[in-house]
Amino acid sequence: AQSVAQPEDQVNVAEGNPLTVKCTYSVSGNPYLFWYVQYPNRGLQFLLKYITGDNLVKGSYGFEAEFNKSQTSFHLKKPSALVSDSALYFCAVRDWGGGATNKLIFGTGTLLAVQP
Amino acid sequence: DAGITQSPRYKITETGRQVTLMCHQTWSHSYMFWYRQDLGHGLRLIYYSAAADITDKGEVPDGYVVSRSKTENFPLTLESATRSQTSVYFCASSGSGGAVGSYNEQFFGPGTRLTVL
Repeated sequence: AQSVAQPEDQVNVAEGNPLTVKCTYSVSGNPYLFWYVQYPNRGLQFLLKYITGDNLVKGSYGFEAEFNKSQTSFHLKKPSALVSDSALYFCAVRDWGGGATNKLIFGTGTLLAVQP
Repeated sequence: DAGITQSPRYKITETGRQVTLMCHQTWSHSYMFWYRQDLGHGLRLIYYSAAADITDKGEVPDGYVVSRSKTENFPLTLESATRSQTSVYFCASSGSGGAVGSYNEQFFGPGTRLTVL
C-alpha cells in the first residue's frame, strides 16, 4: 500500500536556526513527492516537488527538500527559520493506483512553530 | 479574479439536512478533488473528477455525492448530514499531465468549515 509518514506532530525551532521537517514514503511506482504549507484558516499552498533529476529540490520561500531513495525520505529543510514560517506542513506522494488520475496521498501534517 | 473558490466558507447545519458545498475554478483544469481535513488524519480524499461527467470515489466517499456537469464546477453534497461529517472541506484542481515524467500540482481553495449539530 502507498503511504506517507510524517513522524513528528510538531517541530519547534528558534528563529534563525535551521529547520527540518521529516517525511518518509512508500510507493508502488516512481516516487513523485510534494510539500505543501497551510497557514491558519487558509487552503494548502504548493511549496515544491520532486519528480526526477537532482535530489535537492528548491522551492518557494527559501525552502528545499532532499530526496533520498535508499532511505525513502523527502525531508523539508530551510537554512534559517523565520517566525512567519510557522504553519502546518504536509508531505504528499502521487497515488499510482488507478492509473493517471493525478491523485495525491497526504501525510498527517507537521506543525512548525518558530520562536522569536 | 482567477483561481479556485469555495462557498460558503462557514456552514452550520443540523443532523439529517442536505448540504451542498460549492467549488469553482477558472483555470479550466481537468482534474478536481474534494478532501476533508480532520485532526490526526491529515487530508483524506472524498471524491475526484478527471473531467466533466467523470467522477470517482476516493478514500472516504460514504455519505457524499458529487457531480460535474461543467469543467469549472464541482459541487459536493452531503445527502443527510451526520455529526461525523463535521470537518473542514477543501476543493482542489490540477491540470492534466499524468504521463510518466510529468505532473501538475494541485491548487487548493480556501476551504469550507462545516459544523453538523
